[in-house]
Amino acid sequence: EAGVAQSPRYKIIEKRQSVAFWCNPISGHATLYWYQQILGQGPKLLIQFQNNGVVDDSQLPKDRFSAERLKGVDSTLKIQPAKLEDSAVYLCASSLAGGFGELFFGEGSRLTVL
Amino acid sequence: GQNIDQPTEMTATEGAIVQINCTYQTSGFNGLFWYQQHAGEAPTFLSYNVLDGLEEKGRFSSFLSRSKGYSYLLLKELQMKDSASYLCAVEAAGNKLTFGGGTRVLVKP
Repeated sequence: EAGVAQSPRYKIIEKRQSVAFWCNPISGHATLYWYQQILGQGPKLLIQFQNNGVVDDSQLPKDRFSAERLKGVDSTLKIQPAKLEDSAVYLCASSLAGGFGELFFGEGSRLTVL
Repeated sequence: GQNIDQPTEMTATEGAIVQINCTYQTSGFNGLFWYQQHAGEAPTFLSYNVLDGLEEKGRFSSFLSRSKGYSYLLLKELQMKDSASYLCAVEAAGNKLTFGGGTRVLVKP
């Protein structure tokens, strides 16, 4: 079974530039999550999708971050414009809807903002 | 909202036992997870507790007390490869999973 795919693995940009991350969840997983993990901290939920609808985006900085999950499969997370404090690993995870909730994580996209 | 607390760092000797505590306050509780995360890698699932008591899985065990808002992860017969961060995460309604800050465990020879 293929795992959660993410790209790019690494990205370096300057502040005020924009960046986009892509995620393809495990086939059949209805729930998709984007987490932000700053070095030395636990993952922080940015947004949660159930199929193509948003379940929770309360911690998403909506003035600069946006995410979509068209057709209820893969998803993109965009940051525009980036700030220095956005330097982090962006983890995508998926889970079965109605299951006990175990999340399967991708390898993450490491963003460095200079 | 949810609040999850766990120690920042612990050090133990190879072959020993380490217990990582996690306390939580949450509105709505569906279960508690422990994940392991090696440096530079994604978190991987270790255990899941939904009822009070101890769940044992090989060298790792996890305990939950819902009335106390408390869990621990017990790592026995520590190996060098167990050096990693251990993340406590609480699941609320809607499969929403909130993570604690993680406990970095350093295993010394």
